Amino acid sequence: QVQLQQSGAELTKPGSSVKISCKASGYTFTSYDISWIKQRPGQALEWIGAINPGSGGTGYNEKFKGKATLTVDKSSSTAFMQLSSLTPEDTAVYYCARRIIGFDYWGQGVMVTVSS
Amino acid sequence: DIQMTQSPSLLSASVGDRVTLSCKASQNIYKYLNWYQQKLGEAPKLLIYYTNSLQTGIPSRFSGSGSGTDYTLTISSLQPEDVATYFCQQYNSWPFTFGSGTKLEIK
Repeated sequence: QVQLQQSGAELTKPGSSVKISCKASGYTFTSYDISWIKQRPGQALEWIGAINPGSGGTGYNEKFKGKATLTVDKSSSTAFMQLSSLTPEDTAVYYCARRIIGFDYWGQGVMVTVSS
Repeated sequence: DIQMTQSPSLLSASVGDRVTLSCKASQNIYKYLNWYQQKLGEAPKLLIYYTNSLQTGIPSRFSGSGSGTDYTLTISSLQPEDVATYFCQQYNSWPFTFGSGTKLEIK
C-alpha cells in the first residue's frame, strides 16, 4: 500500500536550518509529484511547493522561496525539504503529500519547533 | 494568489442531520476544487476531487457541488465519526491555496 513515512520531530534554534525527509513506498516514486504543506497550530494549510521526482523539477510558492529547498533521492525513493534561516514563525507541522489531482496520500507530519 | 473563504468556521449539528459546508474562491476556479477532512492529530484526508468526484474509499454520504467561485460539501446524514475540520483547496493556479477550514461538531 502507498505510504509516505516522514522523519521525526525537530527542535531547532533561530537562525539554523533543518532538513526533513519523506520516504515513499508502495508505488513508483518517479510517477507523481510530491508537495510539501505547512500547518501552524490552529491555522490553515499552506502549500510550500512541489517536486517532480523523475526530473527533479521544482515549483515554489513565492512566499517560501529562499526559505524552503526541495530535493529527492531517487535511489531511496525519498523526498527532502530543507528549511533555512529558521524563525519562530517557522514552528509548524510540515507534511509531504503525493499529488495526482488532489493530495491523495499524506505523510504523518513532522513537528518543527524553533525556539531559543 | 487565489483566496479561499470557508463558512461557517464552526458548525454544530446532530447525528443524522444533512450538513452543508461552503467554500468561496476569490476568482473563478473552473471546478478545480478539492475537499479534505482532518481529524484531531491526523494528516488531512482527501474526500472529494474536481468538485464532485468521490475519492476511493470515502462513504457516499459525502458529496460535492459547485462551479465558478462557489462550492459546497454536503454530508447527507451526519455520523459521529465525521467530527473533524474540513478544508477546501483550489488547484486552478499556483500557488495552490486552502481555505481556513470549517470545524464540525456533534450537537
